Amino acid sequence: NAGVTQTPKFRVLKTGQSMTLLCAQDMNHEYMYWYRQDPGMGLRLIHYSVGEGTTAKGEVPDGYNVSRLKKQNFLLGLESAAPSQTSVYFCASSYRQETQYFGPGTRLLVL
Amino acid sequence: AQSVTQLGSHVSVSEGALVLLRCNYSSSVPPYLFWYVQYPNQGLQLLLKYTTGATLVKGINGFEAEFKKSETSFHLTKPSAHMSDAAEYFCAVSVSPAFTGGGNKLTFGTGTQLKVEL
Repeated sequence: NAGVTQTPKFRVLKTGQSMTLLCAQDMNHEYMYWYRQDPGMGLRLIHYSVGEGTTAKGEVPDGYNVSRLKKQNFLLGLESAAPSQTSVYFCASSYRQETQYFGPGTRLLVL
Repeated sequence: AQSVTQLGSHVSVSEGALVLLRCNYSSSVPPYLFWYVQYPNQGLQLLLKYTTGATLVKGINGFEAEFKKSETSFHLTKPSAHMSDAAEYFCAVSVSPAFTGGGNKLTFGTGTQLKVEL
């Protein structure tokens, strides 16, 4: 079992570029989440999904889009990256309302 | 809405000393409470959680926490610190699914960096 994996591990973007972060889980979890972690601010929820084909906004959704076409994958997209989106991004999954399991994170630097 | 306050962004203890990391929460409905640990350049790992039942919760690596409703607290303790405990610790709150109608949104505190000195 790989658990929750994230691709890529690290990325540098220029302002205005786009990219997609991939999260995959092999635990057959219904729920998946995207968070961002910034110094002194803890983790903040960007978007989440309670099942294949469904998504919902979290606390800080602006500038991001998500898709959940397959149960095991949850994609986070940045259409036009901004320096304010420099952060560490974590994906998590859970079996409904049970414990969330986190991936190792993706470090994104937007210049 | 729920919120979490972690008192002290940095805590330093000597190896073998008591570890106490403080967490206070705010919730209008019965909370679910969690402590996660994050080692450098890694994701978050669950230490322990409280949902219902016994208010003293034991977790991994010798950590435990006690839910005190009257104090709205969920402090994390460990009797004897080890060098390997050095990490960042996050307290988080969510609520029972009976109140959410779906989803399991965790609200995190800002974290406490634990340093263990010889």
